[in-house]
Amino acid sequence: GIQVEQSPPDLILQEGANSTLRCNFSDSVNNLQWFHQNPWGQLINLFYIPSGTKQNGRLSATTVATERYSLLYISSSQTTDSGVYFCAVADRGSTLGRLYFGRGTQLTVWP
Amino acid sequence: SAVISQKPSRDICQRGTSLTIQCQVDSQVTMMFWYRQQPGQSLTLIATANQGSEATYESGFVIDKFPISRPNLTFSTLTVSNMSPEDSSIYLCSVEDRGGGDTQYFGPGTRLTVL
Repeated sequence: GIQVEQSPPDLILQEGANSTLRCNFSDSVNNLQWFHQNPWGQLINLFYIPSGTKQNGRLSATTVATERYSLLYISSSQTTDSGVYFCAVADRGSTLGRLYFGRGTQLTVWP
Repeated sequence: SAVISQKPSRDICQRGTSLTIQCQVDSQVTMMFWYRQQPGQSLTLIATANQGSEATYESGFVIDKFPISRPNLTFSTLTVSNMSPEDSSIYLCSVEDRGGGDTQYFGPGTRLTVL
């Protein structure tokens, strides 16, 4: 199956700082999503972004499908941004709807 | 977006027993997915459940260990059978919102601990 690599694995920030999380994938995709898993385990969908750029408040994401990577930007980080950020993709040849997840980036934001 | 609930939210079980996890969606969906997240790990797909047909299992997962039911378009169950401590994980169901551009939404998860 498709390989998904996320970096960095861990990130520690002071409140108010900006950050960029990266997701590289090994094959063409028809679905790419970013999720935030909060400390209680809930997975929250941030972006559906197989290509292009989207913004939602302090968060934005860009996927360059031809170069097989996606970036998640967090600006003016807050303590509530802490948790694990996952990138997940579906490749064109896989079972419909099947997502392959990266290992995630553990983000800790200190006040 | 779809609203998904799961029961139970957490459980502690004895080795050798079985647990059935329920997943309820507030709208009709064609495909439902079951994932496992072992402690400190990423998510791994267990199986895809379509209404009216047998579930499709991923490599490494078998029906005898993880039987799945999908009696209608809003409900599914996953059973973890003959549990061992290695089955301690978070189990999550998800659905695909085709109207939202193939976006997948996840339930809150069931945190299982096997002693």
